[in-house]
Amino acid sequence: QVQLVESGGGVVQPGRSLRLSCAASGFIFSSYAMHWVRQAPGKGLEWVAVVSYDGSNQHYADSVKGRFTISRDNSKNTVYLQMNSLRAEDTAVYYCASPVWAAAFDIWGQGTLVTVSS
Amino acid sequence: EIVMTQSPATLSVSPGERATLSCRASQSVRSNLAWYQQKPGQAPRLLIYGASTRATGIPARFSGSGSGTEFTLTISSLQSEDFAVYYCHHYNNWPRDTFGQGTKLEIK
Repeated sequence: QVQLVESGGGVVQPGRSLRLSCAASGFIFSSYAMHWVRQAPGKGLEWVAVVSYDGSNQHYADSVKGRFTISRDNSKNTVYLQMNSLRAEDTAVYYCASPVWAAAFDIWGQGTLVTVSS
Repeated sequence: EIVMTQSPATLSVSPGERATLSCRASQSVRSNLAWYQQKPGQAPRLLIYGASTRATGIPARFSGSGSGTEFTLTISSLQSEDFAVYYCHHYNNWPRDTFGQGTKLEIK
């Protein structure tokens, strides 16, 4: 069964850090780019970051560049999002997603909620 | 930066009728355009990619068209389960992807 499962969300104070994880199963993880997409409460989808299949390339939305780092461990079938210097506007459900059988994001996790609040 | 603009923001349609949703890109995205459906509390579900290719398991009442800067998602005969929010997505846009702001499809 193809699956992405996020973890690591929670409540964190502004300026602090949090690391999200996304564990993959049911497909050849090391063959596909992995993305993070977020959704603030009541708002639309915002693309956050991507890491290439081998981890050699990463790209970020301007809103998180310099604060967030995406990485992956293909031996553990897991992608990470290290979030530093968190702000209230980073409050959102964070999804990992990947284009596996289609050119767009056909596989999504269930999401993990990050709340940045004092 | 490519901006994706969806219209209308909200569309009210009766069950059984046709719904037409639009997505416009600020510059050509060729056919690198996808559509997703999202229901409350759920992750998005891929409907269409390549502007017009239905994803696996998506009913034939969903169709996509367009290329370049103008795209349309058509739902031919609305079922109760189709009322949701729909997003367009410009993908393969290294270094970054872009989503539209969404269209809420509601029951009239």
